[in-house]
Amino acid sequence: KQEVTQIPAALSVPEGENLVLNCSFTDSAIYNLQWFRQDPGKGLTSLLLIQSSQREQTSGRLNASLDKSSGRSTLYIAASQPGDSATYLCAENGGSYIPTFGRGTSLIVHP
Amino acid sequence: DTGVSQDPRHKITKRGQNVTFRCDPISEHNRLYWYRQTLGQGPEFLTYFQNEAQLEKSRLLSDRFSAERPKGSFSTLEIQRTEQGDSAMYLCASAGTGGYNEQFFGPGTRLTVL
Repeated sequence: KQEVTQIPAALSVPEGENLVLNCSFTDSAIYNLQWFRQDPGKGLTSLLLIQSSQREQTSGRLNASLDKSSGRSTLYIAASQPGDSATYLCAENGGSYIPTFGRGTSLIVHP
Repeated sequence: DTGVSQDPRHKITKRGQNVTFRCDPISEHNRLYWYRQTLGQGPEFLTYFQNEAQLEKSRLLSDRFSAERPKGSFSTLEIQRTEQGDSAMYLCASAGTGGYNEQFFGPGTRLTVL
């Protein structure tokens, strides 16, 4: 069974900081990895999808990297804002089309 | 709105009752997924369809859970004889053709079993 681990489980930072969220996976045959944001009581919003053949993807202040050899992905958030406060989840896709999710990192950005 | 929609958004029921949830995927997507999410956890995969074919259902939580996608468009998830432990958020996601399998989620249905 594949496992996905996200560290830290929770993070509180002042506005303006750059921060890194970590995602580790055990699937050596990963096909792609997707990062999501979830606000309380809501569904998941897709942020970035990075293919196994790619090293990184960028969208605005977000940058996701993928290192298959070490089984790690990171989500970098530049110049954090209070509106970035949410839970961030990663999910890895192997070849089975069944994603495995981590438990998420709960982020609070305070003014 | 061309996103994934779910209905109802909230459901409160008494233990032992049956409930049914509906999911309408993004229209051009052929894969449809159901997940369960409890507090502090990531989504837990339940089942998925490619068009009308249910390709994986072994992870449905018990035989009280069933899902259908009769015409390859919308899907329903039914829970029979609900138990308090079924209280959770039930999420639906759809993904398009091709290998990317990028998932797009609906807003979820919050189930409370009293």
